[in-house]
Amino acid sequence: AQTVTQSQPEMSVQEAETVTLSCTYDTSENNYYLFWYKQPPSRQMILVIRQEAYKQQNATENRFSVNFQKAAKSFSLKISDSQLGDTAMYFCASRIQGAQKLVFGQGTRLTINP
Amino acid sequence: GAGVSQSPSNKVTEKGKDVELRCDPISGHTALYWYRQSLGQGLEFLIYFQGNSAPDKSGLPSDRFSAERTGGSVSTLTIQRTQQEDSAVYLCASSLRWGLAGDGELFFGEGSRLTVL
Repeated sequence: AQTVTQSQPEMSVQEAETVTLSCTYDTSENNYYLFWYKQPPSRQMILVIRQEAYKQQNATENRFSVNFQKAAKSFSLKISDSQLGDTAMYFCASRIQGAQKLVFGQGTRLTINP
Repeated sequence: GAGVSQSPSNKVTEKGKDVELRCDPISGHTALYWYRQSLGQGLEFLIYFQGNSAPDKSGLPSDRFSAERTGGSVSTLTIQRTQQEDSAVYLCASSLRWGLAGDGELFFGEGSRLTVL
C-alpha cells in the first residue's frame, strides 16, 4: 500500500526566513512521482513542485525546492525567503507510475508571520 | 471558466437528507477525481473517472455515496441519507490523461463544504 506521512501538523516562521516541511512516504514501487500542493484559505489546491523518482536532481521552482532522498523515502520542501502569501496548508502527495490515485499526506499548516 | 468549477460552494443540510455536489472539469481533461477533506485531515480519495472506462470507486466510504459523469464532462457526487460524519469539504480535480511524461498534474476546484446538522 502507498502511504504518505507528514509529521508536522503546524509550523510558524517569520517573514523572509527559510522553512522546511517534512514528508516521508512508503511504496514498494520503483517508478513514482512526488508532489507538494499548497492549499490557501480559498481552499483551491495549487501544485507547488513535483519530482520524478527516477531523477536524482532535486526539483526547484523559484523559492521552492525539494530534498529528495529516495533511499530514505523522504521528500521535504524548502521555502526560501518566505512571504506572507506562503501562509497555507501544504500537502505532500505521491502517485505510482501507471496508477490513477494521488495519495496525500495529512498536511502541514504553515503560518508566515510579519 | 478556465479552471475546475464546483457547486455549491457551501451546503448545509439536515441529517438524513440527500445532497448532490457538482463538478465541471477543465475543458479537454479526461480524468476527474473526487476527494474528501475532513477537518484537520488530509485528502481522502473517493472516486476516479477516466474517459469511457469504468470508474475506480474503491475510495467510496459506503453505498450511500455514488458519483456519475455525464458525457465525459460534468460529474455529480451524490450522498444519500447524509450523516454528521459526512461533513467535510469535497474537492474535485481534473487532469489530462498522462502520456509518456506521466506526471498527472491535478487541477483542483475550490471545493464544496458540506455541513450535516
